[in-house]
Amino acid sequence: SQQGEEDPQALSIQEGENATMNCSYKTSINNLQWYRQNSGRGLVHLILIRSNEREKHSGRLRVTLDTSKKSSSLLITASRAADTASYFCATDSTSGTYKYIFGTGTRLKVLA
Amino acid sequence: NAGVTQTPKFQVLKTGQSMTLQCAQDMNHEYMSWYRQDPGMGLRLIHYSVGAGITDQGEVPNGYNVSRSTTEDFPLRLLSAAPSQTSVYFCASRVQGNAQPQHFGDGTRLSIL
Repeated sequence: SQQGEEDPQALSIQEGENATMNCSYKTSINNLQWYRQNSGRGLVHLILIRSNEREKHSGRLRVTLDTSKKSSSLLITASRAADTASYFCATDSTSGTYKYIFGTGTRLKVLA
Repeated sequence: NAGVTQTPKFQVLKTGQSMTLQCAQDMNHEYMSWYRQDPGMGLRLIHYSVGAGITDQGEVPNGYNVSRSTTEDFPLRLLSAAPSQTSVYFCASRVQGNAQPQHFGDGTRLSIL
């Protein structure tokens, strides 16, 4: 079974607005990663947050992690049409198996 | 530096046929993985490898075989294709250790008739 679940499943916003997507997971983790997938392409790593971190920034991206609620959020500020893509969270586990489990993704559409 | 290269990009098979999906990386990454992506289900791990000669099963390994004879290559074999294996297949690699990002190929789109 998949460990990460994202919501919403789909999100449509206007260019310039902020986009927030959430990820929930089930077991203890070492770290959580966010990836972007453009249509017809492979996934591209965006940002990683470790279990002992609460917030991380990278350019227009802001990620938060709440290990007590087993959830993370990805905020994209000042969205652009080029941000249109699917976004996935991926979690490892503390069991040491080095496997990453991906969520079902959020499809973001940014309207120009 | 090509990253992760998958071939072929598209393939149509008949039920019962076998084939090998190729994956090669030129980043000297120890870890490599195969995923399948189906609509509404995200990515599911098929098999993974933590180094040459070492492979292990993921979440959905049935019907697939892998081997890792070199660091660079990690082929995925479909032994007897079934319509349920129609999917998009992604190969990924990363350096060993925790908290490392994965690098993905652009996928192989496979249809089983």
